[in-house]
Amino acid sequence: DQQVKQNSPSLSVQEGRISILNCDYTNSMFDYFLWYKKYPAEGPTFLISISSIKDKNEDGRFTVFLNKSAKHLSLHIVPSQPGDSAVYFCAASVDTGNQFYFGTGTSLTVIP
Amino acid sequence: EPEVTQTPSHQVTQMGQEVILRCVPISNHLYFYWYRQILGQKVEFLVSFYNNEISEKSEIFDDQFSVERPDGSNFTLKIRSTKLEDSAMYFCASSELAEGYSEQYFGPGTRLTVT
Repeated sequence: DQQVKQNSPSLSVQEGRISILNCDYTNSMFDYFLWYKKYPAEGPTFLISISSIKDKNEDGRFTVFLNKSAKHLSLHIVPSQPGDSAVYFCAASVDTGNQFYFGTGTSLTVIP
Repeated sequence: EPEVTQTPSHQVTQMGQEVILRCVPISNHLYFYWYRQILGQKVEFLVSFYNNEISEKSEIFDDQFSVERPDGSNFTLKIRSTKLEDSAMYFCASSELAEGYSEQYFGPGTRLTVT
């Protein structure tokens, strides 16, 4: 039972263009969402988060958008850089604990 | 910058053997977690640990699994009798207890291969 889904296993983008990574969830009780980035042979690294009281959160080149009615969130990276090439996981949590539910990840390749 | 460390980076074991995966969380963090990722699948939550006891565990975390904080720095995951399907990357994470939510910092993982 996959409560958090990332339907695109991979994405390729030209350097300088926008990367858009998508994530859907099924549990309407989720109220906190995060994006993690993972390089090969390393653990996931926290990137950006958003709580359900907001619909947008921006941090430098990274912006996360949350559409609660559609149960959808997206991560925008502008402009994309080759160093952004990694696997991106979205994760969600309910307010009953610290357990996060992860999506399966999207592998982003930024082409120089 | 403080980081979570895990040892070993790769563990190969025979089916039925016991394994212990080790983690050193960030020193001022109070919550500890284990996750696993079977190759090609999603990252799955196993267990969270706070104040020397399990606070949450998933269905995966059955009687074959146990966690311990044997001293002030290490956090271990023990699998008593490994099965082939335990082959996965195991990630440890820690977070600082704070108001609201606290981001989890992940270690680099231990790849467990059960043959």
